[in-house]
Amino acid sequence: EIVLTQSPATLSLSPGKRATLSCRASQGVSSYLAWYQQKPGQAPRLLIYDASNRATGIPARFSGSGSGTDFTLTISSLEPEDFAIYYCQQRSDWPFTFGPGTKVDIK
Amino acid sequence: DVQLLESGGGLVQPGGSLRLSCAASGFTFSSYAMSWVRQAPGKGLEWVSTISGGGGMTYYADSVKGRFTISRDNSKNTLYLQMNSLRAEDTALYYCARDQSAYSYGTFTAWGQGTRVPVSS
Repeated sequence: EIVLTQSPATLSLSPGKRATLSCRASQGVSSYLAWYQQKPGQAPRLLIYDASNRATGIPARFSGSGSGTDFTLTISSLEPEDFAIYYCQQRSDWPFTFGPGTKVDIK
Repeated sequence: DVQLLESGGGLVQPGGSLRLSCAASGFTFSSYAMSWVRQAPGKGLEWVSTISGGGGMTYYADSVKGRFTISRDNSKNTLYLQMNSLRAEDTALYYCARDQSAYSYGTFTAWGQGTRVPVSS
């Protein structure tokens, strides 16, 4: 099973700041990595798929990069609605696995 | 608009069974693989199972293999998860999710709001 590790566990930032979230895979997943956002009491929402493709309706301030084992989700300027938990997930191999999440909270 | 509406959750005793349903609308159901993803209370996300658009291919997490069965009825636009021999560790919010296409698996483009399954005596 491919294990995904996310860092940091918590990121405390002010609105308007840049957020950089990391996801590392225990083995290469090519570009088959997605990022999801989850707010309290809500279902996850797809942000980025296949490492760098924004999902439909996702603002341009969200961007993804990386391939192989190291991936990054960048939020260029945090809006109040961006404070949430972010999960990475690989679909390179069965079973599909998620990272433990990074919580982005307000500083 | 894509809509996924789960139902069938509820309190069940260890060893019991439950059948979850997910009613889909707003898209051509048979053109998409579908999945179940669960989230234990206060925990992260765990992929459970995936079925191809036509229903002929199914995949399971090791933690549920042999106990859970995913199926679909494309004439009713409905996805199912039959859960048998339930354990306390199956306690979770179960989400229905749409994959990217009929035979492209693992990008969950739309999610329902989930149905809760507490397993407890």
